[in-house]
Amino acid sequence: DSGVTQTPKHLITATGQRVTLRCSPRSGDLSVYWYQQSLDQGLQFLIQYYNGEERAKGNILERFSAQQFPDLHSELNLSSLELGDSALYFCASSARVGRADEQYFGPGTRLTVT
Amino acid sequence: GESVGLHLPTLSVQEGDNSIINCAYSNSASDYFIWYKQESGKGPQFIIDIRSNMDKRQGQRVTVLLNKTVKHLSLQIAATQPGDSAVYFCAENPGNQFYFGTGTSLTVIP
Repeated sequence: DSGVTQTPKHLITATGQRVTLRCSPRSGDLSVYWYQQSLDQGLQFLIQYYNGEERAKGNILERFSAQQFPDLHSELNLSSLELGDSALYFCASSARVGRADEQYFGPGTRLTVT
Repeated sequence: GESVGLHLPTLSVQEGDNSIINCAYSNSASDYFIWYKQESGKGPQFIIDIRSNMDKRQGQRVTVLLNKTVKHLSLQIAATQPGDSAVYFCAENPGNQFYFGTGTSLTVIP
């Protein structure tokens, strides 16, 4: 158990819909990262937050948005869902930035868009 | 865009043998590289990292080699065990971005 929690574990929804994925970082970690893992694209970095502020943005679509709240939990919002958005979405947290050895991944949310 | 690719998608080794997993990266500006292990049904797990000012780094049963001249990274696992069966990803971290390879599936044969 990494200490990072993600909810829900599984999510099935239809095209065009909007969903929210939630991540609670490890106690004391200020940074949260979101990743998407799909069969055709592999693992891709989406976005990073540090203490509530956006720190880095990767291959995140305009239909997707995220935020980190004062209590440090984070939410990833996916809208106008397409079949290609079906993937595993991982959240990771770390105390500091720039240190992969301090980054712990959650168990992921499996999103299926039908 | 950036490209981090693996040479072999699958690798099978006998228990006790050494494993070598290779990775090519494309961004000459990358200064930090990471290897991850992902077991079935779980999130990626950090194994070892290396900065560009080094060409070798050792951990517990694992060694990472970095060849900046040919932009190549490798992960060596000594005395491979059944618990090492997983998908292994390399990643490069230029600046504040992360780019991942497609992954190599390692199967350890008892």
